[in-house]
Amino acid sequence: GQNIDQPTEMTATEGAIVQINCTYQTSGFNGLFWYQQHAGEAPTFLSYNVLDGLEEKGRFSSFLSRSKGYSYLLLKELQMKDSASYLCAVRGSARQLTFGSGTQLTVLP
Amino acid sequence: DAGVIQSPRHEVTEMGQEVTLRCKPISGHDYLFWYRQTMMRGLELLIYFNNNVPIDDSGMPEDRFSAKMPNASFSTLKIQPSEPRDSAVYFCASRPDLLAEAPPDTQYFGPGTRLTVL
Repeated sequence: GQNIDQPTEMTATEGAIVQINCTYQTSGFNGLFWYQQHAGEAPTFLSYNVLDGLEEKGRFSSFLSRSKGYSYLLLKELQMKDSASYLCAVRGSARQLTFGSGTQLTVLP
Repeated sequence: DAGVIQSPRHEVTEMGQEVTLRCKPISGHDYLFWYRQTMMRGLELLIYFNNNVPIDDSGMPEDRFSAKMPNASFSTLKIQPSEPRDSAVYFCASRPDLLAEAPPDTQYFGPGTRLTVL
């Protein structure tokens, strides 16, 4: 089975940096996704890691450590529009995604 | 590309009524997924299809839920009879079998159907 943990809520200030952590225990692992979901909207793809290390994409970076079952999403130069839920999802041996419950990020002015 | 299309966007019904949710996947995508999202349980996979065939329905809560995919461009999720605890946002997602331009198995979500059962 799959078990994915991430904090329920986080708050940060505009212009700051925030790190959202995700830990997982899975029966098979073939990659980890981060999705962003604004209130009332669909989840949209943000990033993907399959090997250990850091993947950078503009203001967003994602890190993976397979040996520790750990990932984080790093958001730099926070903007108000970054207020959203961030979902960690593991791609298992069956090539399907299991989602965490999401971390609701609130960016304050 | 129009993306994944779902209808209706909002549905309010009374307990005991039949509810049918509809989804049109992105053209050319071989996989279709139905998810349910609630505050308590997050995003849960209900069922998924590959080439119109149901592959895994272990997430379907009970016999009141059924899903079909009669062709590559259309799927339905039906709840009969509906109950208040079925109130949630239901998402449909699709993905191709292989896509060179995106990480493997990236799923593309529709806008969702917000279901309220009174």
